[in-house]
Amino acid sequence: GQQLNQSPQSMFIQEGEDVSMNCTSSSIFNTWLWYKQDPGEGPVLLIALYKAGELTSNGRLTAQFGITRKDSFLNISASIPSDVGIYFCAGQPGLGYSTLTFGKGTMLLVSP
Amino acid sequence: ETGVTQTPRHLVMGMTNKKSLKCEQHLGHNAMYWYKQSAKKPLELMFVYSLEERVENNSVPSRFSPECPNSSHLFLHLHTLQPEDSALYLCASSPSSGGTTQYFGPGTRLLVL
Repeated sequence: GQQLNQSPQSMFIQEGEDVSMNCTSSSIFNTWLWYKQDPGEGPVLLIALYKAGELTSNGRLTAQFGITRKDSFLNISASIPSDVGIYFCAGQPGLGYSTLTFGKGTMLLVSP
Repeated sequence: ETGVTQTPRHLVMGMTNKKSLKCEQHLGHNAMYWYKQSAKKPLELMFVYSLEERVENNSVPSRFSPECPNSSHLFLHLHTLQPEDSALYLCASSPSSGGTTQYFGPGTRLLVL
């Protein structure tokens, strides 16, 4: 089946630093999604991308849908302690009964 | 109440017990999903329902039995589970079952003893 390679696996940064993480795939996706999961909670949708080359922001978060449609990245600027959590990318190959393929997640720790 | 809710939030059961997980979505969506989340593994899709019809079943053992009585409610009936079934079980919904964004509930943390 399809797999997403998400990196890095974990990050430990100082408050105020910028963060970047990415997902790559060997196959094309038509939708890229970025979720954040806090401990003991379900994933919460951060940003959805529907078009190759699309760059979308949500506050301090910016995500891009790669031109090749095989990758996406998420940037967090000026990180704060509440950014701590696990960030997941997810891709959807197309229409019809398309299910999401998830990356393994990037665990982000922010030191005050 | 809004969004996707799941009950119970935590569940401990023995291998001979029968229990059910409940999911309810208040978003007016037509599709609902069950996922299993284990440590250090990607989310695993278990079941997909679209307009109360099961449209996908990813080779899930029969000890997991889903039920979707209407487009707002989804159940996962559990019986004779194994310790390796311990995980976070997440419910999600989306406007339709194809090519649309999924919204997740908070999950049920299941421990099988």
